[in-house]
Amino acid sequence: DAGVIQSPRHEVTEMGQEVTLRCKPISGHNSLFWYRQTMMRGLELLIYFNNNVPIDDSGMPEDRFSAKMPNASFSTLKIQPSEPRDSAVYFCASSPGTYQETQYFGPGTRLLVL
Amino acid sequence: KQEVTQIPAALSVPEGENLVLNCSFTDSAIYNLQWFRQDPGKGLTSLLLIQSSQREQTSGRLNASLDKSSGRSTLYIAASQPGDSATYLCAVPLKGGATNKLIFGTGTLLAVQP
Repeated sequence: DAGVIQSPRHEVTEMGQEVTLRCKPISGHNSLFWYRQTMMRGLELLIYFNNNVPIDDSGMPEDRFSAKMPNASFSTLKIQPSEPRDSAVYFCASSPGTYQETQYFGPGTRLLVL
Repeated sequence: KQEVTQIPAALSVPEGENLVLNCSFTDSAIYNLQWFRQDPGKGLTSLLLIQSSQREQTSGRLNASLDKSSGRSTLYIAASQPGDSATYLCAVPLKGGATNKLIFGTGTLLAVQP
């Protein structure tokens, strides 16, 4: 398996623009996670899905952020409108089950909002 | 609220030395604890996962221990190599329910000098 795939790897956009990040989890994995990593706050969980259903979105910063998982092989994280403080590295991860199992991380999307 | 702390924040050692990284957590009621490695510009790679019923886990030159009662875990790296240079993070699942929501430490940046 190719592992967790994320696109784009880098994104530079202007404040106010819509940004869409994409993730393909490892085939057969039932759980998918979106994280954000910054120097100030470290690694934070934004939202996670189990069997395509959002289970916990308490980490989503505000209404400008939304995430979807239309099927088992694809998820998106959308920021609309984007702001400079959204600049961070966004990681997607997947795991085989619901808990007590290792999470496998993608390479991340480095987002810069000017 | 679970808080995870890692000390030291940064560590530099000469090649060949044995070293210990520390991880502390405030709520000892955990399902497991994981150690991850993050290379610059890359995602996280899981190194070891210790279940709450275990005391140790070993993988090659790595040995992780867990003392739930004291809220501590250590990652021991034997005979360090320059290729071990990376940021090491520990993480514990958030307590409650069938959840794999991880709380991460801030990491230890390790540099192994050739």
